[in-house]
Amino acid sequence: GQNIDQPTEMTATEGAIVQINCTYQTSGFNGLFWYQQHAGEAPTFLSYNVLDGLEEKGRFSSFLSRSKGYSYLLLKELQMKDSASYLCAVSTTDSWGKLQFGAGTQVVVTP
Amino acid sequence: DTAVSQTPKYLVTQMGNDKSIKCEQNLGHDTMYWYKQDSKKFLKIMFSYNNKELIINETVPNRFSPKSPDKAHLNLHINSLELGDSAVYFCASSPDRSLTEAFFGQGTRLTVV
Repeated sequence: GQNIDQPTEMTATEGAIVQINCTYQTSGFNGLFWYQQHAGEAPTFLSYNVLDGLEEKGRFSSFLSRSKGYSYLLLKELQMKDSASYLCAVSTTDSWGKLQFGAGTQVVVTP
Repeated sequence: DTAVSQTPKYLVTQMGNDKSIKCEQNLGHDTMYWYKQDSKKFLKIMFSYNNKELIINETVPNRFSPKSPDKAHLNLHINSLELGDSAVYFCASSPDRSLTEAFFGQGTRLTVV
């Protein structure tokens, strides 16, 4: 199976930057996903990395290092609406179509 | 228009009952999933269907039985409900089983009393 670790909670102030780290141990790596989930709502897709490097999408960026089994999600110019749980998930070639999720990182944005 | 819709949104039922949750996607995707999110917010896959064919069946009690009448629908039937079945159940779909992106339904909060 895959072990996926991410911090439980992070707190940051509005306008700041927060970096959420995710480490994973897996075989047959086929991609890493970040999802955002507001309380009581469905997870929504944020980013997908399959090659090493940084993918930028507006205020959100995601980085992947396959050799290190490491990814991070960077949230810039934090807004109150960014308070949510951020889920790291890994897909592997030996389990086509199955996402293994981490426990999620609860980000709390304070005024 | 809702891309992945599941009903009901809330379900409260007694132990021992049988209940079903329905899911439909209008995205034309080939693959659909059922995930369970427990009280610790851990999201775990239960089942996956690709074009009506079961492709993933995790270690789930056989009281849980998915049914896919066509590729746009994936229902979940649960027999003899137990207290531990209380959780939020999410349906999701993706274009194909290679999973470039999964779209989730709004979830069904099941409470067994």
